[in-house]
Amino acid sequence: DQQVKQNSPSLSVQEGRISILNCDYTNSMFDYFLWYKKYPAEGPTFLISISSIKDKNEDGRFTVFLNKSAKHLSLHIVPSQPGDSAVYFCAALRRWNTDKRIFGTGTRLQVFP
Amino acid sequence: NAGVTQTPKFQVLKTGQSMTLQCAQDMNHEYMSWYRQDPGMGLRLIHYSVGAGITDQGEVPNGYNVSRSTTEDFPLRLLSAAPSQTSVYFCASRPTSGEGNEQFFGPGTRLTVL
Repeated sequence: DQQVKQNSPSLSVQEGRISILNCDYTNSMFDYFLWYKKYPAEGPTFLISISSIKDKNEDGRFTVFLNKSAKHLSLHIVPSQPGDSAVYFCAALRRWNTDKRIFGTGTRLQVFP
Repeated sequence: NAGVTQTPKFQVLKTGQSMTLQCAQDMNHEYMSWYRQDPGMGLRLIHYSVGAGITDQGEVPNGYNVSRSTTEDFPLRLLSAAPSQTSVYFCASRPTSGEGNEQFFGPGTRLTVL
């Protein structure tokens, strides 16, 4: 039972254009969501998060959108850069138990020149 | 600060052998966790700790033991390794407070059980 799903295993985008990574969840009790970025042979690094009381959070080139009714969140990267090429994981949790976070399966983003 | 460190980086075990994966952090974080990453599965929580002397199970705890005697260290023990435990293991830590609840991950240990 995959509670957090990233249905696109890979995405290829041209440099300078927008990258949109998607994540769906099934548990309506999740109230906090995070995106992580992972390079090969390294651990994931935190990228951006959003609380369920918001529908958008922005940090530089990265914006996360949350649609609670659809149980869907997305990460927008504008403009995409070659250094953004990595695997991106979304994660969901309940604030009262923040260590039991559920991760998606990841989307590999490749940004080409 | 070294952040979160993990040793070893690579390990090959035979079925039935035991070993301990080491994890240490120098950020004085109370919360530490162990995850495993398998192809097509994302990261799954094995065990976590909310402070020295306190541990709890995650999604996939079977076959693993943990203890937390100090704030800095959170070792993961495999008592009798099985091929199903072949995976990449990540340790993570986070501070008690903070809006982002962000975790800091170590570089990982790649374990192969033959």
